[in-house]
Amino acid sequence: DVKVTQSSRYLVKRTGEKVFLECVQDMDHENMFWYRQDPGLGLRLIYFSYDVKMKEKGDIPEGYSVSREKKERFSLILESASTNQTSMYLCASRTGTGTHKGYTFGSGTRLTVV
Amino acid sequence: AQSVTQLDSQVPVFEEAPVELRCNYSSSVSVYLFWYVQYPNQGLQLLLKYLSGSTLVKGINGFEAEFNKSQTSFHLRKPSVHISDTAEYFCAVSDNTGTASKLTFGTGTRLQVTL
Repeated sequence: DVKVTQSSRYLVKRTGEKVFLECVQDMDHENMFWYRQDPGLGLRLIYFSYDVKMKEKGDIPEGYSVSREKKERFSLILESASTNQTSMYLCASRTGTGTHKGYTFGSGTRLTVV
Repeated sequence: AQSVTQLDSQVPVFEEAPVELRCNYSSSVSVYLFWYVQYPNQGLQLLLKYLSGSTLVKGINGFEAEFNKSQTSFHLRKPSVHISDTAEYFCAVSDNTGTASKLTFGTGTRLQVTL
């Protein structure tokens, strides 16, 4: 069964900490995405990558960065965590040939910044 | 730019009743349309998608949706819901530009099915 795996289900971090959220996919997908999910706001795209070492800003990139050193791994980095980054973070991947083949989502990481 | 509007944040319904979850989109180019479901404490799962062709699309778990280009809508329906359908449902739109395309989601509709 193909999967997108997010390394942590729950995380609690302190304000100002540098936080790494990891995502790994085993489907040889070219494209990977990071969304955050907040009640009443749906899913909002933070960053995406369509190839190794490539990255593109999404709709809400402020306060975040990403790293894609290997095709299967896409990391989201909170340079200095703040309480307004408390949220559910979802990673997704898809093939590079387009959205029509659908996305596969991870189970999410619920991050609390205190 | 593209956007999705889900007007109903919550829809309560009794078991075995029909349900419709509304979705409207806007885009300057042709689009693909999707419905995803999220069960509690899980990631998103694809219910169905419209790419082209027949405007009535059937998905998993007895759900279907109809693409209406003139009304820019893609409403989700089920003739008889079950308790297990309680979840959050997201409508999403994508342009079909290939590699660079990405999904834009609506704000979600929470379907609450009760006895």
